[in-house]
Amino acid sequence: NAGVTQTPKFQVLKTGQSMTLQCAQDMNHEYMSWYRQDPGMGLRLIHYSVGAGITDQGEVPNGYNVSRSTTEDFPLRLLSAAPSQTSVYFCASRYTGTSGSYEQYFGPGTRLTVT
Amino acid sequence: AQTVTQSQPEMSVQEAETVTLSCTYDTSENNYYLFWYKQPPSRQMILVIRQEAYKQQNATENRFSVNFQKAAKSFSLKISDSQLGDTAMYFCAFADSGAGSYQLTFGKGTKLSVIP
Repeated sequence: NAGVTQTPKFQVLKTGQSMTLQCAQDMNHEYMSWYRQDPGMGLRLIHYSVGAGITDQGEVPNGYNVSRSTTEDFPLRLLSAAPSQTSVYFCASRYTGTSGSYEQYFGPGTRLTVT
Repeated sequence: AQTVTQSQPEMSVQEAETVTLSCTYDTSENNYYLFWYKQPPSRQMILVIRQEAYKQQNATENRFSVNFQKAAKSFSLKISDSQLGDTAMYFCAFADSGAGSYQLTFGKGTKLSVIP
């Protein structure tokens, strides 16, 4: 299994540009999520999904859109990038069965710089 | 709102010594899960250890163990026989049903340096 994969690993955008961060998992996990990591702030939840067609907002959703058309993929869209969105972005997934331990498996991250 | 507090932004330890990282959390739920994640310079988030709140026995994984004090809402990580490869950021996190879908809430992290 590849686990959780993210592309690209690095990206530089100009203010106002749009882009999509890709995330895929091959573990058949229902739950997927996006976090951003900023220095001294830990990881903060942007959006999450509990299954195909179901998404919800996390702690810091403004400026980001998500959709979940398949179990495997959970892309994160920046519609109009701003310097405040410069960060490292992590995608994660986990099992949602009642016997699960609720631990999440993380992708390798995407470092995004907005100039 | 759920919160996780790591009061030690940075720590250092001599190789082969023992170090303890602190974590406290706040929740009104009775059923929850606690985690320690390690983030080395490679940036990858790696699960170190987990603890179910309903279990009284402290979790251990090789050189890593926790001291879980449910009444005090404390969840510290002890690393024994520290190795150079333990140098990393360590994040405490917890998940409970109060946030919906057992979302993870993270602390701000502790940067651990192991000194040769």
